[in-house]
Amino acid sequence: KAGVTQTPRYLIKTRGQQVTLSCSPISGHRSVSWYQQTPGQGLQFLFEYFSETQRNKGNFPGRFSGRQFSNSRSEMNVSTLELGDSALYLCASSLAPRDGYTFGSGTRLTVV
Amino acid sequence: QKEVEQNSGPLSVPEGAIASLNCTYSDRGSQSFFWYRQYSGKSPELIMSIYSNGDKEDGRFTAQLNKASQYVSLLIRDSQPSDSATYLCAVRSSGYSTLTFGKGTMLLVSP
Repeated sequence: KAGVTQTPRYLIKTRGQQVTLSCSPISGHRSVSWYQQTPGQGLQFLFEYFSETQRNKGNFPGRFSGRQFSNSRSEMNVSTLELGDSALYLCASSLAPRDGYTFGSGTRLTVV
Repeated sequence: QKEVEQNSGPLSVPEGAIASLNCTYSDRGSQSFFWYRQYSGKSPELIMSIYSNGDKEDGRFTAQLNKASQYVSLLIRDSQPSDSATYLCAVRSSGYSTLTFGKGTMLLVSP
C-alpha cells in the first residue's frame, strides 16, 4: 500500500516568488493536513482538508493557501515567499477523524 | 490556545534501560493522544495511539494516559541505539479537530 507522497522533495526559491507543493494521500484517506516544521517552532498546523473542504486553518498569513481535489490529492501554495518560509512542509493523511496521521516525506523549501 | 508541552532533552539512557518520555497538555477536553518518532532528516512516524486512561502496550513501547492530570507518557523498554530520535507527543481535542504537537524530546541511547 503506497504511503503519503509529496512532491517535490526539495525546492530552492527566491524571495518574492511563489511555490506550489503537492500531496497524494494514502488511497482511501480523505483527510489531508499540512504542517510546517522548523527547528525553533516545531510542527505548526497550516490547514486541513476533508472531501475538498477546508475544515481547519492554522494561524498563518493569507500568503499560505491550499486546496483539495476530488481524488483527495492536495496542494498548498505560498505566494510572495519570505526567507522565514524556509522549512520542511509536511503533508499527512488519515482515514477517520479519530485516527493519527500518516506523514509524507516532506518538501524541504529553501528561500534565498 | 491549546498547548502540548514536552521537555526538549536530550534524554540520555544506556542501552537496555527504560526510557521515560513525558508530555502535558492544556485542553482538558482532549480525546486522542499519539506518540510519533522522528529520526533526523526524516518525517514523523506514528508509533502509539491511546484514547482512554491507563496503559497501552505494543512491543517494547507502553503509552500511559492520565486525563485527570492531563499527562501522557511513553515508556521504551530495553532501549536500543536505534531508538535514538526525537519523540513527538500529539493531542487532538475533539473528533474533528487537528493534532497539536509538542516540540519533541530528543532521546539518545548510548551503546
